[in-house]
Amino acid sequence: QQKVQQSPESLSVPEGGMASLNCTSSDRNFQYFWWYRQHSGEGPKALMSIFSDGDKKEGRFTAHLNKASLHVSLHIRDSQPSDSALYFCAAGHNTNTGKLTFGDGTVLTVKP
Amino acid sequence: NAGVIQTPRHKVTGKGQEATLWCEPISGHSAVFWYRQTIVQGLEFLTYFRNQAPIDDSGMPKERFSAQMPNQSHSTLKIQSTQPQDSAVYLCASSLLDRGEAEQFFGPGTRLTVL
Repeated sequence: QQKVQQSPESLSVPEGGMASLNCTSSDRNFQYFWWYRQHSGEGPKALMSIFSDGDKKEGRFTAHLNKASLHVSLHIRDSQPSDSALYFCAAGHNTNTGKLTFGDGTVLTVKP
Repeated sequence: NAGVIQTPRHKVTGKGQEATLWCEPISGHSAVFWYRQTIVQGLEFLTYFRNQAPIDDSGMPKERFSAQMPNQSHSTLKIQSTQPQDSAVYLCASSLLDRGEAEQFFGPGTRLTVL
């Protein structure tokens, strides 16, 4: 059973639009989450982490965490074609270790 | 800073042959992680090291797969008697600390194809 589920599997938004990606965990022991982005032919690159309930904003990216429902989301405003990539949600059990469990990813396409 | 270096970028082996994949982490990083990425299974954790010591190999197939970190500048993932189902992109990542808040920096991966 996949412990970190992402939705949707794929998403298409127009340039300048808002993209919203979701992540839910079935494991209540997860304490923190990361969002990573992977462009074709490259390794994943970290976008941001979130450890506390509420919103965290970094530039055009905003993450939201609800620990009670184990739901985390990523919102990208003013989406650019360069944002087209595979986005992963990753979760960790314990802040004393960097070991992460990744979701299956969401493919985002931003159309000019 | 060249980032995490993985060699080779592509490797093709015949069924039953051995494959050794190399990773050079970012200098000064204490944690090194290995992942496997396939279309079907996604991005799976394999194993990781902290200060060169193996910490968690819970994702490693128990037979044929082994990982080592003989010094702080490189780690290897060895697959013996490769099988077609081992075909995947193998990713190495390093982080400054083995902590949840420490970003993992990924290499470009090694694409292994087993014929």
